Amino acid sequence: DGGITQSPKYLFRKEGQNVTLSCEQNLNHDAMYWYRQDPGQGLRLIYYSQIVNDFQKGDIAEGYSVSREKKESFPLTVTSAQKNPTAFYLCASSTKNPGANVLTFGAGSRLTVL
Amino acid sequence: EDKVVQSPLSLVVHEGDTVTLNCSYEVTNFRSLLWYKQEKKAPTFLFMLTSSGIEKKSGRLSSILDKKELFSILNITATQTGDSAIYLCAVRDNDMRFGAGTRLTVKP
Repeated sequence: DGGITQSPKYLFRKEGQNVTLSCEQNLNHDAMYWYRQDPGQGLRLIYYSQIVNDFQKGDIAEGYSVSREKKESFPLTVTSAQKNPTAFYLCASSTKNPGANVLTFGAGSRLTVL
Repeated sequence: EDKVVQSPLSLVVHEGDTVTLNCSYEVTNFRSLLWYKQEKKAPTFLFMLTSSGIEKKSGRLSSILDKKELFSILNITATQTGDSAIYLCAVRDNDMRFGAGTRLTVKP
């Protein structure tokens, strides 16, 4: 079945440690996205990529980094510079077609920094 | 500043009730408005609206867009406990902007 796989589902880390969240899709989608979801707030865009080897900052990119070496993969690193990293992280993908608006989401990764 | 505002933020109803969820927006280059349902983890797509006044319907759910007044509503009739979820509204301009969501709880 086609879809997006995020791992791990739950992650605990100490302050000051970098962590990397995995996102893999087999939908042959060109565009991939990372969102952060906090209680009472909408999904906020961290980074997005519309093509391999290219990515753009979203609204809250500070303290995060990404790479897009393969079409299927878009890992997100939460660095120690992110001041409040505890959150639920959602990866999504879509076709590159400008008329295509629907995002397909992964099941998310919940990061807790102790 | 571009924004998407959903109301209410939280709603508790009983099975069989009808609910209306609201989404208002201010964006500079509107392309479409989308509704998603988030039950546990991954939001799932419900509707995409691009034209005013045309109702989209799927079973007990329906949605309509008013591009003049810049809002959309999502209606759920004869609610069931399985409708309990967070309902997210998103507006596509140059990016995809999400509202904070409405948490709907349907009690037996």
